[in-house]
Amino acid sequence: DQQVKQNSPSLSVQEGRISILNCDYTNSMFDYFLWYKKYPAEGPTFLISISSIKDKNEDGRFTVFLNKSAKHLSLHIVPSQPGDSAVYFCAASAHGVKTSYDKVIFGPGTSLSVIP
Amino acid sequence: DTGVSQNPRHKITKRGQNVTFRCDPISEHNRLYWYRQTLGQGPEFLTYFQNEAQLEKSRLLSDRFSAERPKGSFSTLEIQRTEQGDSAMYLCASSPTSGNIQYFGAGTRLSVL
Repeated sequence: DQQVKQNSPSLSVQEGRISILNCDYTNSMFDYFLWYKKYPAEGPTFLISISSIKDKNEDGRFTVFLNKSAKHLSLHIVPSQPGDSAVYFCAASAHGVKTSYDKVIFGPGTSLSVIP
Repeated sequence: DTGVSQNPRHKITKRGQNVTFRCDPISEHNRLYWYRQTLGQGPEFLTYFQNEAQLEKSRLLSDRFSAERPKGSFSTLEIQRTEQGDSAMYLCASSPTSGNIQYFGAGTRLSVL
């Protein structure tokens, strides 16, 4: 049972335009959401996050929107640059009742290609 | 470089052999995680350490898998009697006690022939 879904395996966008990556989740206990970016031959690197008490978080060209009622979040990249070409993973966590840490569940990823 | 370091980067082995991977986390991080990633999937949680204590193990971690973090610093992941289905990227991550952000190493790619 996939708790975090990214239904678009790939996305192509022209340089300078907006990239919108979508993510859906099923577990209503998730209270913190993260986006990671992964280049080939490297590990995932943290990009941006949002707490469930917010509906928007912005960091430079990157904005994450959260719609809790729809269990949906999206990552907007404006303007898109060729260096943004990578795999983007949506991840969600819920504060553990039995554990002292927040277990993170990753989606399958969306491969973004920004065309010059 | 003070990031998460994983060795080796690549490992090719024959079915039935044992393999061991090493992870050196960011020095001030007391939490350490192991994940497995297969093609077209995101990282799947395997196990978690707080200092030297292994606090959680996934159902994915069969009896052939064992992880240790003896002094609360580096960690090892051993797979005994490897099977072809074990072929994957094994990722290690670390984080400080507070906060949700995990910092990943580049991973060890295992190929079982």
